[in-house]
Amino acid sequence: AQSVTQLDSQVPVFEEAPVELRCNYSSSVSVYLFWYVQYPNQGLQLLLKYLSGSTLVKGINGFEAEFNKSQTSFHLRKPSVHISDTAEYFCAVSRSGSARQLTFGSGTQLTVLP
Amino acid sequence: ETGVTQSPTHLIKTRGQQVTLRCSSQSGHNTVSWYQQALGQGPQFIFQYYREEENGRGNFPPRFSGLQFPNYSSELNVNALELDDSALYLCASSLMTSGSPHEQYFGPGTRLTVT
Repeated sequence: AQSVTQLDSQVPVFEEAPVELRCNYSSSVSVYLFWYVQYPNQGLQLLLKYLSGSTLVKGINGFEAEFNKSQTSFHLRKPSVHISDTAEYFCAVSRSGSARQLTFGSGTQLTVLP
Repeated sequence: ETGVTQSPTHLIKTRGQQVTLRCSSQSGHNTVSWYQQALGQGPQFIFQYYREEENGRGNFPPRFSGLQFPNYSSELNVNALELDDSALYLCASSLMTSGSPHEQYFGPGTRLTVT
């Protein structure tokens, strides 16, 4: 079984500042890793994914994440945030080779302040 | 290309009643997964359907059941509703092929309130 821990439930940051949202996972098998964003009263939108290959993954809206196998982490970063980035962010894992289900973390609320 | 749609958007039911939620998959997708997202939590996997058969199930009781139709649309049925069933129910569709991670695309969800 897999599990995901998002270390920060809330992250306030000023506009144009950099941000890092932390995610650690636990799994006995190889995994795929995902970051999703959820705006108020909406479903989930995929930001980026790691399947294999380069450990630095670039996604939409200027976000990127780095897979660190030794630390079992997949932290999300953005060098300069905008007010419109205010949302809930979820890290998720699935078992590689047979991605039947996603296991999500509890989420991090990113609030960008003017 | 039509995305994943869900109906209804909101629903209020009384404890003990039964509810049916509906999902239309994204065009070309053959797999549907359902998730429950309680307030302030991450989504929890309920089950997945592939080619009209259940293809994996999370830790949910049998009163949660589903169907997938030949056009790959899907229903989630919940019997004997409990207060704790109040949540946002998310449907996600994907294309399952050999060797593919079949990335999941989510609908906007149905907000169920049980009183």
